[in-house]
Amino acid sequence: EVQLLESGGGLVQPGGSLRLSCVASGISFSNYAMNWVRQAPDKGLEWVSSISGSGSSTKYADSVKGRFTISRDNSKKTLYLQMNSLRDDDTGAYYCAKDREAVAGHNWFDLWGQGTLVTVSS
Amino acid sequence: DIQMTQSPSSLSASVGDRVTIACRASQSISTYLNWYQHKPGKAPKLLVYAASTLQSGVPSRFSGSGSGTDFTLTISSLQPEDFATYSCQQSYSTLPYTFGQGTKLEIK
Repeated sequence: EVQLLESGGGLVQPGGSLRLSCVASGISFSNYAMNWVRQAPDKGLEWVSSISGSGSSTKYADSVKGRFTISRDNSKKTLYLQMNSLRDDDTGAYYCAKDREAVAGHNWFDLWGQGTLVTVSS
Repeated sequence: DIQMTQSPSSLSASVGDRVTIACRASQSISTYLNWYQHKPGKAPKLLVYAASTLQSGVPSRFSGSGSGTDFTLTISSLQPEDFATYSCQQSYSTLPYTFGQGTKLEIK
């Protein structure tokens, strides 16, 4: 079955860290760029980060630059998001999303996971 | 960054209705516009890419149109499973990708 499955969300205090994972199945994982997209409560979707199929190129939204790190292990078909120095406004559902190409560009996300919830609160 | 604005933010409609959701970009994005459907607790789903191309497996009652700054998603005859939130996304400015704020489609 073609799917993405996220894990690793939870409750964390401000300033804390979490590591999200996204395991892919049914796709040639290394052939595609991958992304993290989040949605805060009652807000729209927000692109967070992107990594190329090889893992050599990474991009971040300004809101997370310097705090979050995206990475991937193609042998395990797994995408990661290391989140440090978490803030209240990082709260939300985090989705992994597959790009249609190996590098970010004029693309779209043709496969999404169900999301994992991150709550940053004291 | 390119700003995407959807209207309306919410919409009540009945099964069988024709519904149109609008998305406006803050600058011209050619046809680099995609539409997604998402429901609570489920994976978002790509409906339309490149403004008007229907993703494989998406029912033909969905259609997209537009270019430049103004785009629409139309559902020709609402089905019960269509009640969800719909979001547009531009991919003209490669990064950051930006989304509209979403349109919540509810049952009247």
